[in-house]
Amino acid sequence: SYELTQPPSVSVSPGQTASITCSGDKLGDKYACWYQQKPGQSPVLVIYQNYKRPSGIPERFSGSNSGNTATLTISGTQAMDEADYYCQAWDSSTVVFGGGTKLTVL
Amino acid sequence: EVQLLESGGGLEQPGGSLRLSCAASGFTFSSYAMSWVRQAPGKGLEWVSGISGSGGSTYYADSVKGRFTIYRDNSKNTLYLQMKSLRAEDTAVYYCAKDEDERVRGWYGHWGQGTLVTVSS
Repeated sequence: SYELTQPPSVSVSPGQTASITCSGDKLGDKYACWYQQKPGQSPVLVIYQNYKRPSGIPERFSGSNSGNTATLTISGTQAMDEADYYCQAWDSSTVVFGGGTKLTVL
Repeated sequence: EVQLLESGGGLEQPGGSLRLSCAASGFTFSSYAMSWVRQAPGKGLEWVSGISGSGGSTYYADSVKGRFTIYRDNSKNTLYLQMKSLRAEDTAVYYCAKDEDERVRGWYGHWGQGTLVTVSS
């Protein structure tokens, strides 16, 4: 079965750029998307189809996908961005989520 | 405004059954695929099952195949998940999620608040 691998944690200072990676076999040939989840809340879609932002998502969130790696980039990271982030792709008639990355802003 | 309201969760014994419902409003229900995604306590997201807008195509995670059935009633704008032969490892918050396409693709722009399923004796 298809697997997506994320680092368990990423730390960033306020105002700096955070990058969260997601690795999977030939992931660049698929559409990747990203979800943000804060404690006690439902997930929120922040990037879909590799780089598109849903309405209401700040411009500081961006995405890319090439080769075996998709990347979520948060520019000018704010304290409110501290959350768990999950990548996701569709493969062989199944939806696959990565294990999640806890982003700490300190 | 899109709203998804899950119900049907609760405590069930191993081997038992439960049916989850998700009442949808604020969009043309039959035009969008829907899915169930679960999250065990303290764990990550796990996709469970998805169904196309028409209901003609259904998909399941290997972990639930043969035990869970997803279906929808487009006349009632409601999504269902029939769960049988429940196991302790099925314990999780179950979210209903709306895809951004008629086909299941995992682009979930809207989620419900979740309903907790606990499987324990």
